[in-house]
Amino acid sequence: QVQLKESGPGLVQPSQTLSLTCTVSGFSLTSNSVHWVRQPPGKGLEWVGAIWSGGSTDYNSALKSRLSISRDTSKSQVFLKMNSLQTEDTAIYFCTRIPKGYWGQGVMVTVSS
Amino acid sequence: DIQMTQSPPSLSASLGDKVTITCQASQNINKYIAWYQQKPGKAPRLLIRYTSTLESGTPSRFSGSGSGRDYSFSISNVESEDIASYYCLQYVNLPYTFGAGTKLELK
Repeated sequence: QVQLKESGPGLVQPSQTLSLTCTVSGFSLTSNSVHWVRQPPGKGLEWVGAIWSGGSTDYNSALKSRLSISRDTSKSQVFLKMNSLQTEDTAIYFCTRIPKGYWGQGVMVTVSS
Repeated sequence: DIQMTQSPPSLSASLGDKVTITCQASQNINKYIAWYQQKPGKAPRLLIRYTSTLESGTPSRFSGSGSGRDYSFSISNVESEDIASYYCLQYVNLPYTFGAGTKLELK
């Protein structure tokens, strides 16, 4: 069955780089896109970006200067890297397939010194 | 970027009521709108895609409609398990954009 699972550090210092991994199973990254969505505590959902089946990427306009999404198809993993982190980047980060209904459980990332 | 204006931000309903949430896009999104339900501490759950296509497992009391810029999502006969937040998402143009959400509470 289709599964996605996020992993990464729970705490990142301000100005540092966030690195998250989404490990997928039950489908191929070369045939399907994977998206990242985040949700600050108590707030709404924000689309972060995506990597498409061909390997191209698209990003949220407000984040694109700090954001990179890549993948390792042999390991069925998608990576998110965001630099120059600020407290406003504190959020739960989800990987998902849009508009399919498959989501990871999310990983909470706190930006704090 | 396409802006999704979702209303109301919150909604109070009694069990058995019908409730409706709307999303207006800043431009035509050609029915490429999805609706999600989210309960506290959980990942969002996709209920409806392409305006009105119910996902497998979505109860028939949920429905969606609309075209062009204007879309709506309804729950007929609200049940206690429907208490949650709801979000619309346009996925026709990049970057994809969510509505701000609607919190459904029991009256």
